[in-house]
Amino acid sequence: DGGITQSPKYLFRKEGQNVTLSCEQNLNHDAMYWYRQDPGQGLRLIYYSQIVNDFQKGDIAEGYSVSREKKESFPLTVTSAQKNPTAFYLCASSGFYNEQFFGPGTRLTVL
Amino acid sequence: GENVEQHPSTLSVQEGDSAVIKCTYSDSASNYFPWYKQELGKGPQLIIDIRSNVGEKKDQRIAVTLNKTAKHFSLHITETQPEDSAVYFCAARNTGNQFYFGTGTSLTVIP
Repeated sequence: DGGITQSPKYLFRKEGQNVTLSCEQNLNHDAMYWYRQDPGQGLRLIYYSQIVNDFQKGDIAEGYSVSREKKESFPLTVTSAQKNPTAFYLCASSGFYNEQFFGPGTRLTVL
Repeated sequence: GENVEQHPSTLSVQEGDSAVIKCTYSDSASNYFPWYKQELGKGPQLIIDIRSNVGEKKDQRIAVTLNKTAKHFSLHITETQPEDSAVYFCAARNTGNQFYFGTGTSLTVIP
């Protein structure tokens, strides 16, 4: 069954903690993306990666970090420097110049 | 960078009527325009797309039109059904394979 998986579905973070969101794809896509979605707003790009071992900052990268050590994996770390991390996080992937598909999302809540 | 605007933000239609959602973009080099449907708590699902060398595309009850000169594109849903109720997002992809999203339209189909 091909697609994009994200885990966990729900995540709770205490103040000052770093947390890591997982994203895996078995579509053999080169490009992977992380977006943040807040109520009433569109999707905002956090980081994207066009190829293994390379990634670029999106519009709202401050307080986040990523790695791309494997083609199928693109984990996102929400650091304590992100002051308002409560949001719905979406991972996506696309083949170069092809359609972009999304995972089911992770809802992060700060306690 | 690219800027995508989407209207209206909310739309209510009677079951069986048509719904139209409009988007404009700013970067004339953008070359691919997908539309997504997002249900509550889920990731966006690609429902239709259009490339810059095509003016119109249809898939059963949904269609997308693109006017490159005016830099706008529209989603048309005919014979709406209650299960069409969701949030719809337009997007534009630039030549760097980055996607920029509109702020979404919440569609309600009234039975």
